[in-house]
Amino acid sequence: GQQVMQIPQYQHVQEGEDFTTYCNSSTTLSNIQWYKQRPGGHPVFLIQLVKSGEVKKQKRLTFQFGEAKKNSSLHITATQTTDVGTYFCAGYSGAGSYQLTFGKGTKLSVIP
Amino acid sequence: DTGVSQDPRHKITKRGQNVTFRCDPISEHNRLYWYRQTLGQGPEFLTYFQNEAQLEKSRLLSDRFSAERPKGSFSTLEIQRTEQGDSAMYLCASSLVDISEAFFGQGTRLTVV
Repeated sequence: GQQVMQIPQYQHVQEGEDFTTYCNSSTTLSNIQWYKQRPGGHPVFLIQLVKSGEVKKQKRLTFQFGEAKKNSSLHITATQTTDVGTYFCAGYSGAGSYQLTFGKGTKLSVIP
Repeated sequence: DTGVSQDPRHKITKRGQNVTFRCDPISEHNRLYWYRQTLGQGPEFLTYFQNEAQLEKSRLLSDRFSAERPKGSFSTLEIQRTEQGDSAMYLCASSLVDISEAFFGQGTRLTVV
């Protein structure tokens, strides 16, 4: 079945440093979504990417979808303590399935 | 409507007991999903409803698990003969259209002792 891998599993950064998490799928995805989960909270939708090579920005966050639609990345510029949490990528393979497959997430800690 | 609501927030049960969780999606959302999340893992898909029809179930879903969505509104997830391995956070999510943004509830944390 479809697998979604994320690296790194953990990342500790000094406040103001940049952060990147990478997501790779074993199969081609119809789209990919990114979620953020704060400690003790539930996943909150950040963005959806659909097109091959798509790049989207939300303030300090930049999301990319690979040309082959099998990988994606999230880059945060100049991290802040409010960025703390676990970032998940999740993909749909399409082909009539509604199953959103999540990666294990990257847990970001920001040292003030 | 303030979002997806789940009840209870926490449930402790003895092994072998049955438990039922409820999810109230955002009112205009006709897509509803159940996920399970254990510590250090991402949410794992369990099942999906479009209105009252259960259109997809994970192959990993034991036959002890059953979900319903009568009248296409709220949904219930029942686990029969609970096992310690069922201990997890059970998350419900809803969306307006297929493969679009999913809104998650706060989850029900199940502990089987």
